[in-house]
Amino acid sequence: DQQVKQNSPSLSVQEGRISILNCDYTNSMFDYFLWYKKYPAEGPTFLISISSIKDKNEDGRFTVFLNKSAKHLSLHIVPSQPGDSAVYFCAASAPGDYKLSFGAGTTVTVRA
Amino acid sequence: DAGVIQSPRHEVTEMGQEVTLRCKPISGHNSLFWYRQTMMRGLELLIYFNNNVPIDDSGMPEDRFSAKMPNASFSTLKIQPSEPRDSAVYFCASSLGYGMGGYTFGSGTRLTVV
Repeated sequence: DQQVKQNSPSLSVQEGRISILNCDYTNSMFDYFLWYKKYPAEGPTFLISISSIKDKNEDGRFTVFLNKSAKHLSLHIVPSQPGDSAVYFCAASAPGDYKLSFGAGTTVTVRA
Repeated sequence: DAGVIQSPRHEVTEMGQEVTLRCKPISGHNSLFWYRQTMMRGLELLIYFNNNVPIDDSGMPEDRFSAKMPNASFSTLKIQPSEPRDSAVYFCASSLGYGMGGYTFGSGTRLTVV
């Protein structure tokens, strides 16, 4: 049973525009959320995270928003660049739990 | 630091054969995870170790799968006997622990069972 869901398998966006990736979770115990980025033939790499005590975290072009009441988070990439073309995974963990539960991923393609 | 090192990068084997995947975590990391990536299910956690002790193996699909961590610098994931449905990319990851910025993943082993 997937506790973290990314319902959009793919997203295509023009260079310079905003990319918005969505993620929903079902486990109300989750209190730490992360986004990973994965290029072909490489392992996922950590991108940005947010704790449940916050509703927004920003790092350069990347911003993650958390809506706890809706059990929803999103990743905004502004502006999108060709190098952002990758698979993005949403992940979450519960307090004191070392393991992360991942979504199925969203493939982002940035068009020049 | 060379990061998390996995070997082999690619493995092609015949159904019924034994397959062993290897992982060297980042020195000092006390947690190690084995994940499997498939198109249908994304990244699935198979098993994780904390301080070399298996903590949760509920994701291991069948008794054909086993994992060991004999010391802090080495882990193996074994499939015996392998089946075509085991074909996937297997990732190893390590971390310092909860909330420490997440995991560091290896580059993965692409397993093909024919």
